[in-house]
Amino acid sequence: KAGVTQTPRYLIKTRGQQVTLSCSPISGHRSVSWYQQTPGQGLQFLFEYFSETQRNKGNFPGRFSGRQFSNSRSEMNVSTLELGDSALYLCASSLVGRNTEAFFGQGTRLTVV
Amino acid sequence: GNSVTQMEGPVTLSEEAFLTINCTYTATGYPSLFWYVQYPGEGLQLLLKATKADDKGSNKGFEATYRKETTSFHLEKGSVQVSDSAVYFCALSDPTSGTYKYIFGTGTRLKVLA
Repeated sequence: KAGVTQTPRYLIKTRGQQVTLSCSPISGHRSVSWYQQTPGQGLQFLFEYFSETQRNKGNFPGRFSGRQFSNSRSEMNVSTLELGDSALYLCASSLVGRNTEAFFGQGTRLTVV
Repeated sequence: GNSVTQMEGPVTLSEEAFLTINCTYTATGYPSLFWYVQYPGEGLQLLLKATKADDKGSNKGFEATYRKETTSFHLEKGSVQVSDSAVYFCALSDPTSGTYKYIFGTGTRLKVLA
């Protein structure tokens, strides 16, 4: 069974540009969550999607957005990139239920220069 | 709101030493609790989980017991190896809103010396 796949693995962008990251969940998983990980702030929740609807959103500015498609694949977009957006972006998928765990992809390392 | 608090790292141990990483949580309702491990350059991997009070999760020599009375889920291992060097995250699954949002602690870096 394939795991969570994130593409690309590495990305270098310039300030002011925008970027789109992709996440393919484990087959059958309909919940997809995104996290930003930085050395200073740790692991911060961005948003969670289920059945193409955003159900939870973390405390990030509107420059951060996402969506989920009918096949549960998800994308997140960051517009007007800032140096502080440099981070490892992790996607996690899960079944829905009280006792289920989240499965993580390897992440996309975004560097803003 | 719900939260997870982990002990500050880094934790540095010699090989074969005993490991404890403390984790306490605040939650309404009855969350499920998890420990994840992150190796350099990788995403998080589930290490173990417990879904109700007094449950013990275990995997690869690591153990943690869901203690409702002390709201704790401390990670332990009797004899660490160099290969256990990684960052460990405690997490809970918040069922109160019905959306099962995962809440993570800040992570504890473990370094094991040969």
